[in-house]
Amino acid sequence: SQQGEEDPQALSIQEGENATMNCSYKTSINNLQWYRQNSGRGLVHLILIRSNEREKHSGRLRVTLDTSKKSSSLLITASRAADTASYFCATAVSNFGNEKLTFGTGTRLTIIP
Amino acid sequence: DTGVSQDPRHKITKRGQNVTFRCDPISEHNRLYWYRQTLGQGPEFLTYFQNEAQLEKSRLLSDRFSAERPKGSFSTLEIQRTEQGDSAMYLCASSTPLRRTGAGPSGANVLTFGAGSRLTVL
Repeated sequence: SQQGEEDPQALSIQEGENATMNCSYKTSINNLQWYRQNSGRGLVHLILIRSNEREKHSGRLRVTLDTSKKSSSLLITASRAADTASYFCATAVSNFGNEKLTFGTGTRLTIIP
Repeated sequence: DTGVSQDPRHKITKRGQNVTFRCDPISEHNRLYWYRQTLGQGPEFLTYFQNEAQLEKSRLLSDRFSAERPKGSFSTLEIQRTEQGDSAMYLCASSTPLRRTGAGPSGANVLTFGAGSRLTVL
């Protein structure tokens, strides 16, 4: 079963604009991660934020986490055509050392050149 | 190390046939995961191994599915008597123990995925 849901399901923006996608989840978490998937390929880890953190930055990526609302957002600034991909949030619920990742449904991002 | 390798990349089979997928993880990773992904959905957890021990199986993993990691290195996922509903991308991922990670900070389980094996059941 999916732990999280991304919103929107699909997003199209002009190159150079910022893209924001949101993730909501259901249970308490240890950390939340964002992954990118290019069409027909495997997923690539982008960034991780722990449950005691509120914001993380990595290059053009900014992630926020609101544990009270059980939600996270991923902001991609100054988008490029190469950012076209699907983006998934994944949550880790620590259970005696088992950090199985549960993925959301994804946001399909299209950058228009 | 070239990352996580999966073979075959594509498999087309007829309903009722058996198929087997192979995954070679990053050599120093002792955790190995199998996920299934259908079109337009996120990956769904199937099972995972720590070394050669299979520690968890999803309820999605019916009796027709079996996964092995006999020597704690590569893993195989076999689907017997395939059904059309088995058509999906099967993703393998590996990671290091929680105390030592690859890309993530210490104490977090960051997965490195292979390119996937796409199964089409006719």
